Amino acid sequence: KAGVTQTPRYLIKTRGQQVTLSCSPISGHRSVSWYQQTPGQGLQFLFEYFSETQRNKGNFPGRFSGRQFSNSRSEMNVSTLELGDSALYLCASISGRGTGELFFGEGSRLTVL
Amino acid sequence: KQEVTQIPAALSVPEGENLVLNCSFTDSAIYNLQWFRQDPGKGLTSLLLIQSSQREQTSGRLNASLDKSSGRSTLYIAASQPGDSATYLCAVTTGGTSYGKLTFGQGTILTVHP
Repeated sequence: KAGVTQTPRYLIKTRGQQVTLSCSPISGHRSVSWYQQTPGQGLQFLFEYFSETQRNKGNFPGRFSGRQFSNSRSEMNVSTLELGDSALYLCASISGRGTGELFFGEGSRLTVL
Repeated sequence: KQEVTQIPAALSVPEGENLVLNCSFTDSAIYNLQWFRQDPGKGLTSLLLIQSSQREQTSGRLNASLDKSSGRSTLYIAASQPGDSATYLCAVTTGGTSYGKLTFGQGTILTVHP
């Protein structure tokens, strides 16, 4: 059974640009969550999607957005990049068995110059 | 607002030692608690999941306990090995419509030396 796939794994952008990250959840999982991990703030919740609907949103500015497609794949977008957006962005696929167990991908490492 | 604290922040032990990592949370109204492992530059690997109605879970050399009323969980690692070296994170969720919204601790960096 394939795990959570995130692309790209690494990317470098400059301030002011925008970036789109992709996440394919485990087959059969309909919920996806996104997290930002930085050395200073640790892991912080960005948003959660279930069946193409945003179910929860963390405390991030409107530059951070996401969406989910009918095949459960999800994307997140960060516009007008700032240096502080440099982070590891992690996607998690949520088990539909009612346990609430999360399975994470390897992440997308974003560096903003 | 839920807050999760992990103690110690870092731990260095010789191979073979049994060890305990601690996690505390401020709001006892949790749905479940998960322990994860993270290797440098990698994603998170789920180790153990404890539902709020459970007291403990075991997997191999790992045992996690949960005392919801006191807001505490411990991860016990038996007979530690150098391959156990990693950052260990605990996280809680309140469930409902928030299954995917975890609140994480800052992690315990574990080093097991030969």
